[in-house]
Amino acid sequence: RKEVEQDPGPFNVPEGATVAFNCTYSNSASQSFFWYRQDCRKEPKLLMSVYSSGNEDGRFTAQLNRASQYISLLIRDSKLSDSATYLCVVNRASGGSYIPTFGRGTSLIVHP
Amino acid sequence: DAMVIQNPRYQVTQFGKPVTLSCSQTLNHNVMYWYQQKSSQAPKLLFHYYDKDFNNEADTPDNFQSRRPNTSFCFLDIRSPGLGDAAMYLCATSLSTGGADYGYTFGSGTRLTVV
Repeated sequence: RKEVEQDPGPFNVPEGATVAFNCTYSNSASQSFFWYRQDCRKEPKLLMSVYSSGNEDGRFTAQLNRASQYISLLIRDSKLSDSATYLCVVNRASGGSYIPTFGRGTSLIVHP
Repeated sequence: DAMVIQNPRYQVTQFGKPVTLSCSQTLNHNVMYWYQQKSSQAPKLLFHYYDKDFNNEADTPDNFQSRRPNTSFCFLDIRSPGLGDAAMYLCATSLSTGGADYGYTFGSGTRLTVV
């Protein structure tokens, strides 16, 4: 089982749609969780951290389920500019440190 | 603005010819990471430094080496690039390991082509 797994998609949705991505992780000792956005041929950029209580930033909502070892990202009222790849990042314990491990990303295409 | 800068943005090298990629940061972060990302794949961690403490991933080929002469700079050396090493190389920083504070900040990457 991969350390961090994501459905690669693509998710093809119309503007205004609500779309949700899930990410599962294998290391139960993981401490920190993030969603990053990566545009084509660009570097990943932090979208939001994921907190145990769940958190919201505008149209974006992130949830963490430690028992089931998954995190989710919900995007409401999708915009054309939301088209990108969304990378799940989970820290794994490694020799006293926590190392970021990426999923392969979920591709989102928002069309008019 | 504080940032992570990678040079060059695009690098073309010959098969087997050593190449060095550079990364600098003005964030004064303790940790610097090097990732390799191939098309449609997850960024793969090659190694990271916590200050001067070097940590190599177990599956990173010996062909890849790194240097961190000071807090601000970190280099990725590929001793004998093969065609399979063509990829985007991403440098990232964090204040501490775990990124629990502010996550990870990435440079814009260096796209390496091997001919």
